[in-house]
Amino acid sequence: DAGVTQSPTHLIKTRGQQVTLRCSPKSGHDTVSWYQQALGQGPQFIFQYYEEEERQRGNFPDRFSGHQFPNYSSELNVNALLLGDSALYLCASSPNKAPTYNEQFFGPGTRLTVL
Amino acid sequence: AQKITQTQPGMFVQEKEAVTLDCTYDTSDPSYGLFWYKQPSSGEMIFLIYQGSYDQQNATEGRYSLNFQKARKSANLVISASQLGDSAMYFCAMRAVFFGNEKLTFGTGTRLTIIP
Repeated sequence: DAGVTQSPTHLIKTRGQQVTLRCSPKSGHDTVSWYQQALGQGPQFIFQYYEEEERQRGNFPDRFSGHQFPNYSSELNVNALLLGDSALYLCASSPNKAPTYNEQFFGPGTRLTVL
Repeated sequence: AQKITQTQPGMFVQEKEAVTLDCTYDTSDPSYGLFWYKQPSSGEMIFLIYQGSYDQQNATEGRYSLNFQKARKSANLVISASQLGDSAMYFCAMRAVFFGNEKLTFGTGTRLTIIP
């Protein structure tokens, strides 16, 4: 049973460019969340996708957008990259059924460097 | 708003000893869950243990136990018989329990180093 997978592993971009990160959830999971983890910090919640819609959003600008596909996989898009967007981007998946509040699994992350 | 505080930036522990990682939290949500994750240098967040705010018993998972003191708003992680492979960053996190909420709020983490 494959866990949460993310691609690519590493990415280097320059300021002003756009980037797309991808995530495939764990089998049986239909909800995907994205987090940004800056160096030396805990992860910060970006947004959550369920049924191909953004259901929750953290305190991130509109430059951060996402998409969820019918097979539950998801993309995170960041436009007009800034140096401060350099971070580890983590995807987490969970099943949308109560009361499995303890079931949220993370992928290995994509490390984005903006030069 | 939710807040997680981890006051130990780093800890060094002798192999085979027990270690306690501190976590305090603040929330106005009536129902919530507390999580501990381990993050090795590879970056993946590995789920360790979960405690619901209304659970009567403290959670245990193998060598991990969660010392939950609701009145003190603390949720400390206890690792018994530490191993070299336990060296990693450890994050405490919480989530309000209501349908559709997936947002985890994390602390700043504790770097645990196990000494042979």
